[in-house]
Amino acid sequence: EVQLVESGGGLVKPGGSLRLSCAVSGFTFSSYSMNWVRQAPGKALEWVSSISSTDDYIYYADSVRGRFTISRDNAKNALYLQMNSLRADDTAVYYCARDPGNWDPQRLDCWGQGTLVTVSS
Amino acid sequence: DIQMTQSPSSLSASVGDRVTITCQASQDIRNYLNWYQQQPGKAPKLLIYDASTLETGVPSRFSGSGSGTDFTLTISNLQPEDFATYYCQQFDNPLLTFGGGTKVDIK
Repeated sequence: EVQLVESGGGLVKPGGSLRLSCAVSGFTFSSYSMNWVRQAPGKALEWVSSISSTDDYIYYADSVRGRFTISRDNAKNALYLQMNSLRADDTAVYYCARDPGNWDPQRLDCWGQGTLVTVSS
Repeated sequence: DIQMTQSPSSLSASVGDRVTITCQASQDIRNYLNWYQQQPGKAPKLLIYDASTLETGVPSRFSGSGSGTDFTLTISNLQPEDFATYYCQQFDNPLLTFGGGTKVDIK
């Protein structure tokens, strides 16, 4: 069974940092691109970042570029999102999602349950 | 960035109804369009990719059409489990963008 489990969310002050993790199982992690998508309370989905299976292609939304860093460890079947200089408008549920595309992000065919990040003083 | 506009933002329908949701892209995205369903408090689920291809396991009452800038998601014979929010998403530009969502609730 394919599983994606996010962790690392919590309450952080504006300007602070947080590192999210996504542990995956049930599929060959190193063969898939991965993405982070977030959803602010009561709002629409917002794509955050994408990383290809071998790190060759990495993309960020304009809203997080320069503050967030996506990475992966294929040996540990894990995806990460390092979030720095957090702002109140980064408050959201963060989902990791699998992408069968090889290079550029395409479709998100499996999702985790999400982890809540709250940025507040 | 490519902007995705969904309409309507919400609609009310009854079990057995046929429902149509539209999604318009701010520029030509060929058929690089996906549709997702999100139940309250749950993660999104991929329904249709490449504008019209049904994801494995998705009931055939869901269908998608369109190319270029205008796309449609149709749900025929609406079932109780279909009351949810639906999102379109483009991948013509690697900076993915989603539509604002369409909430389908019970009339």
